[in-house]
Amino acid sequence: NAGVTQTPKFQVLKTGQSMTLQCAQDMNHEYMSWYRQDPGMGLRLIHYSVGAGITDQGEVPNGYNVSRSTTEDFPLRLLSAAPSQTSVYFCASSFDRGTGNTIYFGEGSWLTVV
Amino acid sequence: GQQLNQSPQSMFIQEGEDVSMNCTSSSIFNTWLWYKQDPGEGPVLLIALYKAGELTSNGRLTAQFGITRKDSFLNISASIPSDVGIYFCAGARGNKLVFGAGTILRVKS
Repeated sequence: NAGVTQTPKFQVLKTGQSMTLQCAQDMNHEYMSWYRQDPGMGLRLIHYSVGAGITDQGEVPNGYNVSRSTTEDFPLRLLSAAPSQTSVYFCASSFDRGTGNTIYFGEGSWLTVV
Repeated sequence: GQQLNQSPQSMFIQEGEDVSMNCTSSSIFNTWLWYKQDPGEGPVLLIALYKAGELTSNGRLTAQFGITRKDSFLNISASIPSDVGIYFCAGARGNKLVFGAGTILRVKS
């Protein structure tokens, strides 16, 4: 019973490098989303998807791309990493449109950009 | 972007004491949620509230959805050491969640 799986758990990048944070869920959830967590800021929505082939921007989308080619996977791409993107990233999924009663979070990906 | 005002930012209490934290917003939400996050893990849902005025309990936890739909509180009774962690409130409207900044709870045994 894997739930929401994120990889990698930890990553250090140099400024300007690109990378992809992987997220997969095995619960057949339609709704998936990416958040970043910064001290004193709570969790802020980066991008979300309401189903395969559909993505939309959240509160802080700049510098990130997403795609949803399958129901299971929702990767987050950093095109050219910046120190401001040092954060903890959480992927989440739910049956419905994020009303929260069935939202599941991954364990987080700690990203440091130097 | 819109944010929720969560207070207090941190608490350091004696084991056995009751704890109270709250969230307020200038916006109305249809659902209020409370999550707990343990170190190195993702947030886990504690309580979900769906109606204004609703009071819901989950063991030693009690949460209420404010009448104005702009606030919520969470109470923890008789705190124990495993209650330590970060507690987040979240307001849901449509397909988005907005999170508070979190309350760090530390318990002295």
